[in-house]
Amino acid sequence: GEDVEQSLFLSVREGDSSVINCTYTDSSSTYLYWYKQEPGAGLQLLTYIFSNMDMKQDQRLTVLLNKKDKHLSLRIADTQTGDSAIYFCALRRSGTYKYIFGTGTRLKVLA
Amino acid sequence: NAGVTQTPKFRVLKTGQSMTLLCAQDMNHEYMYWYRQDPGMGLRLIHYSVGEGTTAKGEVPDGYNVSRLKKQNFLLGLESAAPSQTSVYFCASSPSQDNEQYFGPGTRLTVT
Repeated sequence: GEDVEQSLFLSVREGDSSVINCTYTDSSSTYLYWYKQEPGAGLQLLTYIFSNMDMKQDQRLTVLLNKKDKHLSLRIADTQTGDSAIYFCALRRSGTYKYIFGTGTRLKVLA
Repeated sequence: NAGVTQTPKFRVLKTGQSMTLLCAQDMNHEYMYWYRQDPGMGLRLIHYSVGEGTTAKGEVPDGYNVSRLKKQNFLLGLESAAPSQTSVYFCASSPSQDNEQYFGPGTRLTVT
């Protein structure tokens, strides 16, 4: 079946870059999302990329997609303490409602 | 716009009790969803609705029922709560099946 994997934890120092990784098995996904979940809150859509793109940049966020290796990453430049949260990758095929979520990566930013 | 709201925020139930979680959205979205989130796992879809008066099963529907009597509301019911239903429940909505979903803040449910 479809599987989306993420490492559970990442710790970085304030001001450094963070790279959160996601690997998946379903090559037919069209949309690949990154969501952020702060403590006690719901999921907030950060950014997404279409499967026909290799990279997308949005201010401090850079999304890289390697379709050959089925690998998605989210880079956060100049990481701040406010970036501490759980980050989920999620995949969806065009024309469907069905999301496949990763397990989430807890990012801890050290001052 | 409040977006997607959920009530209650927290609840503790005893095994065998029943309760209803309410989700409301003010974005006129057709699709609504209920997910559960468990430690170390991604969100799993319980039930969803493609419009007023419709409901359908998701990935983990057992032990839950839903109703969508009004377009803006999607209710999730637990008829006889079990400890395995201890989880954080998220509601989401989307304009159609081919759009990103907008999530509510979640309801933390503990069943003892």
